[in-house]
Amino acid sequence: DTEVTQTPKHLVMGMTNKKSLKCEQHMGHRAMYWYKQKAKKPPELMFVYSYEKLSINESVPSRFSPECPNSSLLNLHLHALQPEDSALYLCASSPGTGGRDEQFFGPGTRLTVL
Amino acid sequence: GQNIDQPTEMTATEGAIVQINCTYQTSGFNGLFWYQQHAGEAPTFLSYNVLDGLEEKGRFSSFLSRSKGYSYLLLKELQMKDSASYLCAVRDRGSNDYKLSFGAGTTVTVRA
Repeated sequence: DTEVTQTPKHLVMGMTNKKSLKCEQHMGHRAMYWYKQKAKKPPELMFVYSYEKLSINESVPSRFSPECPNSSLLNLHLHALQPEDSALYLCASSPGTGGRDEQFFGPGTRLTVL
Repeated sequence: GQNIDQPTEMTATEGAIVQINCTYQTSGFNGLFWYQQHAGEAPTFLSYNVLDGLEEKGRFSSFLSRSKGYSYLLLKELQMKDSASYLCAVRDRGSNDYKLSFGAGTTVTVRA
């Protein structure tokens, strides 16, 4: 299994809703990432988990809350989002063992905040 | 952090060759990646350079010069399916080796 899966593929939510994005990989990777990507822009790193511990938080607003329940799963909990948070949210994973450590991306969740 | 520059758009004809340049500035270089991203899809890994020189993989090659802060991605025998955005990404040997910084991407359009 050499893929990263993400659910849901699309999500529409109001500003008062609470929702969660899910990401899963079974490649034995020990680093997992959340990126946000706006149209025609590059991915922007939000969070990195390394060996199930939060390693990087790129000053993301607290309305985004990551969680890593185990080495295969990564969640992003959403609450009280703003319309400008509408974007493609990409999950990625990498071996986390140094060297090339290429990141494998999931297909993304396209989020629309009304 | 990094300052990564690449052209915004390039157009080429099917069967031709296109070279996408990327320049970067970093305080501690620790690898350069090229990713391909089709519209509405996830980025997919194309190549990795950490030492100077050329890495060849089928129709795609990537070159790195660390002293010049310069890389290029060469796409040969262009096919229509190569129409996509190509992202240059640099990893900095900073406090955390996991962080990739992406350039804005180069949109390549292949015409028949």
